[in-house]
Amino acid sequence: ETGVTQTPRHLVMGMTNKKSLKCEQHLGHNAMYWYKQSAKKPLELMFVYSLEERVENNSVPSRFSPECPNSSHLFLHLHTLQPEDSALYLCASSQATAMNEKLFFGSGTQLSVL
Amino acid sequence: AQKVTQAQTEISVVEKEDVTLDCVYETRDTTYYLFWYKQPPSGELVFLIRRNSFDEQNEISGRYSWNFQKSTSSFNFTITASQVVDSAVYFCALSEGYNQGGKLIFGQGTELSVKP
Repeated sequence: ETGVTQTPRHLVMGMTNKKSLKCEQHLGHNAMYWYKQSAKKPLELMFVYSLEERVENNSVPSRFSPECPNSSHLFLHLHTLQPEDSALYLCASSQATAMNEKLFFGSGTQLSVL
Repeated sequence: AQKVTQAQTEISVVEKEDVTLDCVYETRDTTYYLFWYKQPPSGELVFLIRRNSFDEQNEISGRYSWNFQKSTSSFNFTITASQVVDSAVYFCALSEGYNQGGKLIFGQGTELSVKP
């Protein structure tokens, strides 16, 4: 069983759909993250949760709505997305949110918005 | 402003060649951490190394080595005797500031292709 699991692996949705991305970590970590990886751009941090509380929202549009019901699960709810939101969405976790923490990543959800 | 630059977008080598991936960073902080991650075709980023700003010792791990030079703000990564399995995208990243954990600033990545 991998440390960080993301589902689905691939998602195609229309601009009016509502969908959710799921992330689960089996490492006993206290912090979880959403990153966005667009083609030809560096990875961008979207949200940070520490002990189930959101500690960072990196100016992300409201059409992306995160949810962290417990320290092992993280969701990203999507609604009325735009084609430019097509990207690989990566979930990560770490023991804490200290500066020197290494992150453990999932394999990502490849999202295509039509 | 903080920034990480990986000037090499793509590198192609033949197996057994040595290859160096460049990373240059910008930061105003005196305390920071530098990382390298590998992203194979499966998608997940895999942690390779972490180095803090006060430790300029170079590190070697098997065929991998890292050269950290604060004078040039560089943290370069060398793979010796490259193998096909080394083919991946490699990211250099910077973490700075207290209570800023997880807020990695990534470079754009270098796609390494190792041909047999």
